[in-house]
Amino acid sequence: SAVISQKPSRDICQRGTSLTIQCQVDSQVTMMFWYRQQPGQSLTLIATANQGSEATYESGFVIDKFPISRPNLTFSTLTVSNMSPEDSSIYLCSVNLGRGDEQFFGPGTRLTVL
Amino acid sequence: GNSVTQMEGPVTLSEEAFLTINCTYTATGYPSLFWYVQYPGEGLQLLLKATKADDKGSNKGFEATYRKETTSFHLEKGSVQVSDSAVYFCALSDKGGNKLTFGTGTQLKVEL
Repeated sequence: SAVISQKPSRDICQRGTSLTIQCQVDSQVTMMFWYRQQPGQSLTLIATANQGSEATYESGFVIDKFPISRPNLTFSTLTVSNMSPEDSSIYLCSVNLGRGDEQFFGPGTRLTVL
Repeated sequence: GNSVTQMEGPVTLSEEAFLTINCTYTATGYPSLFWYVQYPGEGLQLLLKATKADDKGSNKGFEATYRKETTSFHLEKGSVQVSDSAVYFCALSDKGGNKLTFGTGTQLKVEL
């Protein structure tokens, strides 16, 4: 597996502001992913972040709202822009280590928007 | 597209009871199948996996068998413990691990 850390672990933000979430992995990985878990619900893939190329967004998610950076093979950021209470969720990053189809997840960032 | 259907929870059991959480899927091709577990206040952990038909994944007393004929991957444990209380997610992945599709999750509560 991999050791994956996220910062911050939680935050409370005002509507209209933006928050950047960091994801750090202890080994180099090609594929990193960002998911959203809304309260009491399952996980939904936001985008795939590959180093050296633009992120690929899933239907319903756009770059202006969720810009992603992937500057190297161990790090990525997700920004939640112009937040509203509907953005209150847990945001998780995950990685595929290239040795199978499974993904390993970070501990998540719990975001509350007031 | 791909989809995963899980039995709704919460499921409440007494300690040492037998557990089954049903999971069925719809996918093109031959996906890999997973069970993830989320303990209270924690992130997702991979519990077990199976990558082809008739494979059995197992870990920590939990088992699930990849049944292609019934497109199912039911999670079982012979004797649950209070420490198994968590939310369990069934998921599938296309080959290459590019995208995980999750079920809605099933909350398990185990009582003494």
